[in-house]
Amino acid sequence: AQSVTQLGSHVSVSEGALVLLRCNYSSSVPPYLFWYVQYPNQGLQLLLKYTSAATLVKGINGFEAEFKKSETSFHLTKPSAHMSDAAEYFCAVSPRSNFGNEKLTFGTGTRLTIIP
Amino acid sequence: DTGVSQDPRHKITKRGQNVTFRCDPISEHNRLYWYRQTLGQGPEFLTYFQNEAQLEKSRLLSDRFSAERPKGSFSTLEIQRTEQGDSAMYLCASSLGIWDFHNEQFFGPGTRLTVL
Repeated sequence: AQSVTQLGSHVSVSEGALVLLRCNYSSSVPPYLFWYVQYPNQGLQLLLKYTSAATLVKGINGFEAEFKKSETSFHLTKPSAHMSDAAEYFCAVSPRSNFGNEKLTFGTGTRLTIIP
Repeated sequence: DTGVSQDPRHKITKRGQNVTFRCDPISEHNRLYWYRQTLGQGPEFLTYFQNEAQLEKSRLLSDRFSAERPKGSFSTLEIQRTEQGDSAMYLCASSLGIWDFHNEQFFGPGTRLTVL
């Protein structure tokens, strides 16, 4: 079974500082990997996804993530934090399934707080 | 905006009552997913539809839960004889499953259920 582990349920960074949110996956074959963001009282929004093309993936709002097979990691980074980045972030994994169920398995989430 | 919509956004009910939630996916999306998110956790997969066919149900979906997607359009999730443990955010997502790599799931805002 596939799973993801997010290290750190809460992360605080100063405005303008580097954001680093950690995610490690467990899968017998390289999976598809995702980062989603959830703002209060809103649904999940896809930030970026890895589907086996480039290992460095760029997403929306200046975020990027690097797939490292040797470390089974898919950490999310942003060079300079903005107040609007404060939200809950979820790492997720999906099986490689041709025309089938692409259900997502999510981590427990990391709440990002930005300090002015 | 023609995103995924869910109704109601909030539902408070007493233990033992039945509740029904509705999800309207993005028009022409053939795949529909239900997830459940409890406080402090990531969303968990409940069930998946390809058009009107329910193709997979999680073990989380007890006999008190039933989901339908008549005519392959909107979907309903019914919980019978609600229990306090059913209190959660119920999320719906849809995707257009036409590619042989991952098809992005678009999430609705969710229905927050509180069982007293």
